[in-house]
Amino acid sequence: AQTVTQSQPEMSVQEAETVTLSCTYDTSESDYYLFWYKQPPSRQMILVIRQEAYKQQNATENRFSVNFQKAAKSFSLKISDSQLGDAAMYFCVHSGGGADGLTFGKGTHLIIQP
Amino acid sequence: EPEVTQTPSHQVTQMGQEVILRCVPISNHLYFYWYRQILGQKVEFLVSFYNNEISEKSEIFDDQFSVERPDGSNFTLKIRSTKLEDSAMYFCASWAGGRPYEQYFGPGTRLTVT
Repeated sequence: AQTVTQSQPEMSVQEAETVTLSCTYDTSESDYYLFWYKQPPSRQMILVIRQEAYKQQNATENRFSVNFQKAAKSFSLKISDSQLGDAAMYFCVHSGGGADGLTFGKGTHLIIQP
Repeated sequence: EPEVTQTPSHQVTQMGQEVILRCVPISNHLYFYWYRQILGQKVEFLVSFYNNEISEKSEIFDDQFSVERPDGSNFTLKIRSTKLEDSAMYFCASWAGGRPYEQYFGPGTRLTVT
């Protein structure tokens, strides 16, 4: 069974600053993906970034980047130049593919201070 | 861009009633999923569906729940005899199969049981 742990229930950052959200996971899969999803107050689930476990290079998407430490089973999200629109709940998610459902962490509520 | 749609966006029902939540997955996707998110809690996997049958289900998905793909486009979740604790956001997701292992989420249906 897979588990995903997000130890920061809430984080706060000043607008334009950088913030890092932490995530650790445990998996029995050798081939898997990790994702960060953003959930704004509308509760829509929005994909922020994905990382394939076989790729050593950390994924980046504009202001969003990850630090993927496979041996340590760590997958943190860095948001640079934080914007008010980044305020949301962020979920770290594991996918082993196939029929298995995604495994979500409990989420980190990110607050952006103007 | 193709998207997953869900109807209704909000459903209010009385305890003991049956509800059907509807989803239209992305047309060329092969795997379909339902997830539940009780307010303030993490997203939980309910069931996956592939090749017209249930592939995996969680312990939450008991006899009260059923899924169906009645035609080539709709994917439904039926909840029989709803309980107060069924109040939650229900998300449908679909996956094309292959890489990446990315599931596309619908906007969710908020179910309120009174």
